Amino acid sequence: QVHLVQSGAEVKRPGASVTVSCKASGYTFTDHYMHWVRQAPGQGLEWMGWVNPKNGDPHYAQKFQGRVTMTRDTSTSTAYMELKSLTSDDTAVYYCARRGGDIDFDSWGQGSLVTVSS
Amino acid sequence: QSVLSQPPSASGTPGEKVTISCSGSSANIGSNNVNWYQQVQGAAPKLLIYSNSQRPSGVPDRFSGSKSGTSASLVISGLQSDDEATYYCATWHIPVNGWVFGGGTRLTVL
Repeated sequence: QVHLVQSGAEVKRPGASVTVSCKASGYTFTDHYMHWVRQAPGQGLEWMGWVNPKNGDPHYAQKFQGRVTMTRDTSTSTAYMELKSLTSDDTAVYYCARRGGDIDFDSWGQGSLVTVSS
Repeated sequence: QSVLSQPPSASGTPGEKVTISCSGSSANIGSNNVNWYQQVQGAAPKLLIYSNSQRPSGVPDRFSGSKSGTSASLVISGLQSDDEATYYCATWHIPVNGWVFGGGTRLTVL
């Protein structure tokens, strides 16, 4: 079955960058887009964008344009999300979620907590 | 503040039927399919309904979805204690060329 395993929790200083990874298994990685969604403490879900694992093409939410980079490594079936110039507002749990066929966010990773604090 | 409006809370007793609404506009719900997600406290969200009314395998038929115009609804019948969770609607929002989620509805089973 589909399994998305994310990297562990991170603590970053304001102004730093963070990279979260999402290793996929149980399906053909290059056949399905990978979304990234975040959730600030006590808040709702916020879509950040997706990457097409087949060709690496990303599509970012307008809010994160210029500050986020989504990539993939097909040799390890892993998607990556890098967020730069972190502020305390970026403290959140970051999730990867697959687009399975025509069904968006059909499987989710367990989440990666990123804490931004001086 | 999301472009998709959900009531912040809902409640019901075991066995009851609960309806959660998601209100949008012609720029989102009115033009695109709606998905629903269930998030139990401390866990990742889980797909509950896709394409307005389709249930993934493994989701009980107590959960049903519908869409009419610029609004969508999630109905939970035969409420159970483990239905206690936060429910989110989501769809594509044309003006931003991206996905948007509703603010979430926290369901309490009394």
